[in-house]
Amino acid sequence: EAGVAQSPRYKIIEKRQSVAFWCNPISGHATLYWYQQILGQGPKLLIQFQNNGVVDDSQLPKDRFSAERLKGVDSTLKIQPAKLEDSAVYLCASGLLALEQFFGPGTRLTVL
Amino acid sequence: EDQVTQSPEALRLQEGESSSLNCSYTVSGLRGLFWYRQDPGKGPEFLFTLYSAGEEKEKERLKATLTKKESFLHITAPKPEDSATYLCAVQHNNAGNMLTFGGGTRLMVKP
Repeated sequence: EAGVAQSPRYKIIEKRQSVAFWCNPISGHATLYWYQQILGQGPKLLIQFQNNGVVDDSQLPKDRFSAERLKGVDSTLKIQPAKLEDSAVYLCASGLLALEQFFGPGTRLTVL
Repeated sequence: EDQVTQSPEALRLQEGESSSLNCSYTVSGLRGLFWYRQDPGKGPEFLFTLYSAGEEKEKERLKATLTKKESFLHITAPKPEDSATYLCAVQHNNAGNMLTFGGGTRLMVKP
C-alpha cells in the first residue's frame, strides 16, 4: 500500500515570497491533516480536513496560510507571504476517522 | 488546554542497556494516547495507541504502558537501530481527531 506522498521535499525561499506544498493521502483515507514541526519540537496541527471540508483550522495563521482539499483527495498548503519563523518541516498525514494517523515524509522549508 | 510533556529530552544508552521514556499529559477526556517514532528527515511512524489506564502494548523491544497521568515507553535491550526521536501525542475525546504532541525524546543507542 502506497504511503502519504508530499512534494517538494525541500524548499528554500526568501522572506515575503510565496510557497505551496502538495500532499496526496493514502487511498481511501477521508481525513487529512497538515502539521508544522519546528526543529526540536513535536508536530503542531495546522488544519484538519474531513473529505473536502475543514474540521479544525483553529491553529492556522489565516493571515498568511491557506489550505484546500479539492475533490476530497489531494491537498495544498500555501504560505503567502512567508516569514523567517515559518522555517519548519510541514507534515501531511491521513487517516480513517479516529484511528491512527499516517504521516508523509514532510517538506522542509527554509525562509531566508 | 491539552498539555503533553516528554522526558528526558535526550537519552544516551549503551546497546543492551534498558530504560524508559516518560510522557506526562493533562487532558480533560482522553480518547487515546499515541506513540510515534521519527527518524531524521522522515515523518513520524506509528507505534502504539493506548486507550485506558492499565493498558499495555508491545512490539519487539518496545512496551508502552498507560496510567491516568502518564505513559511510559520501555525499551528492553536496545540496539543502535532503535536510535530515533520518540513522540507521544494525546487525542481529546471532544476535539475530532486532533493530536497534541509532546516535544519528543531523542534516543541514541551506542554499540
